[in-house]
Amino acid sequence: EVHLVESGGGLVQPGGSLRLSCAASGFTFSTYWMTWVRQAPGKGLEWVANIKQDGSEKYYVDSVEGRFTISRDNAKNSLSLQMNSLRADDTAVYYCARGQTLAPWGPGTLVTVSS
Amino acid sequence: EIVLTQSPGTLSLSPGERATLSCRASQSVRGSYLAWYHQKTGQAPRLLIYGASSRATGIPDRFSGSGSGTDFTLTISRLEPEDFAVYYCQQYSGSPPYTFGQGTKLEIK
Repeated sequence: EVHLVESGGGLVQPGGSLRLSCAASGFTFSTYWMTWVRQAPGKGLEWVANIKQDGSEKYYVDSVEGRFTISRDNAKNSLSLQMNSLRADDTAVYYCARGQTLAPWGPGTLVTVSS
Repeated sequence: EIVLTQSPGTLSLSPGERATLSCRASQSVRGSYLAWYHQKTGQAPRLLIYGASSRATGIPDRFSGSGSGTDFTLTISRLEPEDFAVYYCQQYSGSPPYTFGQGTKLEIK
């Protein structure tokens, strides 16, 4: 069974950093694009970033460009999102999802940016 | 960046009725690279439709998608109680970012 589980969320002060991880299992991780999507409390979905199978291409939504870095370790079946210079409007549940048609999704991890 | 606008914002229907949800794009979605997801309260979203009209694995045939260019539709032929949720469309055409619509809430009347 395909399984994704995010970790690393928590409370961080404005300007701080956090690193999210996504552990993948049940499929050949190295053959899929991988994506991060976020959802602010009570709001809709926002596509954040994705990364090609070999890590050679990475794309970001404008609002996180230069602050967030997506990466992957195919040997460990792991996806990461390094988030720097965090702002209050980065507060959200962060989901990892497989592919460009996003299926499946992990259960998400909550990031709260607040002083 | 392609902007997706979903309508209506809220749709109130009864179980057994037919639901029609709309997703309109600000520019043509090439290749009909348009997906639909639903999200139940407290859960992660789930893929329903990809390529505008192809059902994802395990999705019942009461769900169908149609459309091309800038206008897309998700139809649920006979609503079941578990179908009441928030529905999102998403385009994945060309280069990212791959934007979502703002969502349609399907609620029980």
